[in-house]
Amino acid sequence: GENVEQHPSTLSVQEGDSAVIKCTYSDSASNYFPWYKQELGKRPQLIIDIRSNVGEKKDQRIAVTLNKTAKHFSLHITETQPEDSAVYFCAARLNTGFQKLVFGTGTRLLVSP
Amino acid sequence: GAGVSQSPSNKVTEKGKDVELRCDPISGHTALYWYRQRLGQGLEFLIYFQGNSAPDKSGLPSDRFSAERTGGSVSTLTIQRTQQEDSAVYLCASSIRGGGNEQYFGPGTRLTVT
Repeated sequence: GENVEQHPSTLSVQEGDSAVIKCTYSDSASNYFPWYKQELGKRPQLIIDIRSNVGEKKDQRIAVTLNKTAKHFSLHITETQPEDSAVYFCAARLNTGFQKLVFGTGTRLLVSP
Repeated sequence: GAGVSQSPSNKVTEKGKDVELRCDPISGHTALYWYRQRLGQGLEFLIYFQGNSAPDKSGLPSDRFSAERTGGSVSTLTIQRTQQEDSAVYLCASSIRGGGNEQYFGPGTRLTVT
C-alpha cells in the first residue's frame, strides 16, 4: 500500500523567512497530493493541492512542487507570518482500489516574530 | 451552507464501556472518512465510505471498532469495551466524491477513557 513520509517533524523560522516541508510517497500510481493546515485546537483545512499532470502550483505565498520521478513533493511558504504557525500534513491519493488519501505524520511549523 | 458536524464534542467514559460517535457530512457528499488523532500526532485513517460501495475498513485497529453509514448520509463510529489507548480526537471528513477531492473535516469528538 501507499506510505507517505514527511520531514521535518518540527520547523522553526523567523518571520519573513521561507519554510519548506518535504514528503515522499511510495506508490508511483498516486496522482493527487493535497496539503492540509491544522491550527492548534482546530480542524484540518485544505490549503493547496497538486495533481500529477503538473509540476508546480502557486497560490500567493504558498507553492507546491511535485517530482514524479523521485516520488516526492514539497510545500513552500515564503515571507512567513506568525499566523502560518500550525501543523501541516501532506497526503497522497492512491490511484487504485479505494483511492483513499494517505497522510504524512505532520510538520509543526513555528514562526517567531 | 452547513459544514460537517460531529457529536458529541466531548465524551468521557469509563474503561470497558461502549461509545457511539456521530458524524453528519455535508449534504450531497458521497464520501465519508473517519480518522483518529492522538494528542500531538498525525491523522490515522480508520474507515472510508464511498456511495453505496462496501467501505474500506482497513484502518480499523481492532474488532472493537465498527462504523455504519445509514442512507448514504449520517455515520456512526462505535467503539466497544473502550480502553485507555482509545483516548483521542476522532475526526470525520466528507468530500463530494472520492479521495481526489477536498476533504472537509468536522470539529471532532474528543474521547477520554478513564
